[in-house]
Amino acid sequence: NAGVTQTPKFQVLKTGQSMTLQCAQDMNHEYMSWYRQDPGMGLRLIHYSVGAGITDQGEVPNGYNVSRSTTEDFPLRLLSAAPSQTSVYFCASSPPTGTITEAFFGQGTRLTVV
Amino acid sequence: AQSVTQLDSQVPVFEEAPVELRCNYSSSVSVYLFWYVQYPNQGLQLLLKYLSGSTLVKGINGFEAEFNKSQTSFHLRKPSVHISDTAEYFCAVNRMDSNYQLIWGAGTKLIIKP
Repeated sequence: NAGVTQTPKFQVLKTGQSMTLQCAQDMNHEYMSWYRQDPGMGLRLIHYSVGAGITDQGEVPNGYNVSRSTTEDFPLRLLSAAPSQTSVYFCASSPPTGTITEAFFGQGTRLTVV
Repeated sequence: AQSVTQLDSQVPVFEEAPVELRCNYSSSVSVYLFWYVQYPNQGLQLLLKYLSGSTLVKGINGFEAEFNKSQTSFHLRKPSVHISDTAEYFCAVNRMDSNYQLIWGAGTKLIIKP
């Protein structure tokens, strides 16, 4: 059982480049989300989705886009990378219980923007 | 709005000593409460959760936490720590009324001294 899979694990981008962080889950979870983790700040929600075709902004959405064409996949796009987006990114999913009773996390993507 | 405060950014403790990691929250509605652990260079893993029922919750790896509604706290405890408990620990809350957003504390690094 793979759970939540994120790719790539590491990435270095130049300022202005774009890229997509991939996230896939095989647990048939409706709810998926993207967080960024910065030292001393915990996890901050970027975007989330409550099902295929439905997405919404979290606390820090600027500079990021998402889409949810299938239940399994929830990619995060950086439109024009900036050094402020250097961070560790986590994807998470939760079972369809109407609210979050547990979140399952991927292993993270460590992104450096130079 | 909800918020989560983890009162200590780092907690050093000797191996085999007891430890308590503190978490306080504020919310105008009832919440679910979680503790997650992040080992170095890993994703987040659920340690334990309080959804309802007994206020003393037991989790994995010998950890337990007590929900105190009057003090709005959910402190994490372990009677005897091991070097393998070295990690960062995150407290999080989620509203019970159909809300999909987990609110996170900033994290507490548990440092085990030999």
